[in-house]
Amino acid sequence: EAGVTQFPSHSVIEKGQTVTLRCDPISGHDNLYWYRRVMGKEIKFLLHFVKESKQDESGMPNNRFLAERTGGTYSTLKVQPAELEDSGVYFCASSRPGGIVETQYFGPGTRLLVL
Amino acid sequence: GNSVTQMEGPVTLSEEAFLTINCTYTATGYPSLFWYVQYPGEGLQLLLKATKADDKGSNKGFEATYRKETTSFHLEKGSVQVSDSAVYFCALSDGSSNTGKLIFGQGTTLQVKP
Repeated sequence: EAGVTQFPSHSVIEKGQTVTLRCDPISGHDNLYWYRRVMGKEIKFLLHFVKESKQDESGMPNNRFLAERTGGTYSTLKVQPAELEDSGVYFCASSRPGGIVETQYFGPGTRLLVL
Repeated sequence: GNSVTQMEGPVTLSEEAFLTINCTYTATGYPSLFWYVQYPGEGLQLLLKATKADDKGSNKGFEATYRKETTSFHLEKGSVQVSDSAVYFCALSDGSSNTGKLIFGQGTTLQVKP
């Protein structure tokens, strides 16, 4: 069974540009999460999808961030326009449908650098 | 709100030394507690978990006990190896919501020297 995959692995863009990150969860996992680790600090929750619906987007920093999960499969996270403080590692995780203590399986992350 | 605090790193040990990485938490309700590990160049992997007070999670020689009275979940290993060099994250599931989102500590870098 394939794990959670993320694309690209690295992205370097200039301030003001747009970047789109993609996450493919494990097949059959209804829950999909986005997290971010900035500057070696703690990993912070961004949002949670259940299938194609946004269950919780309380961690999204501002309206420059847009997440979608059309069809309930893969998800994209778009940053437009990117700012310097958006640099960091963006992780995606997925888990099976069921209780909230289901294990979350993480992807390798996308390292975003905004210059 | 809920939070997790880990000991500052980096931690540098010699091979076969005893490891403790402290983790304390603040939470309402009854969270589940986790340790995740990130090896160089890889994603986060679940190392172990505990879902209720006094539970002990264990895996690959690592152990952690869910201590409600001290709100702690310290990670221990009796004899570390060079291959244990990684970043370790303590986390809790936010039981105050129904999303299962994880709240992480800042991570502790462990370097084991031969």
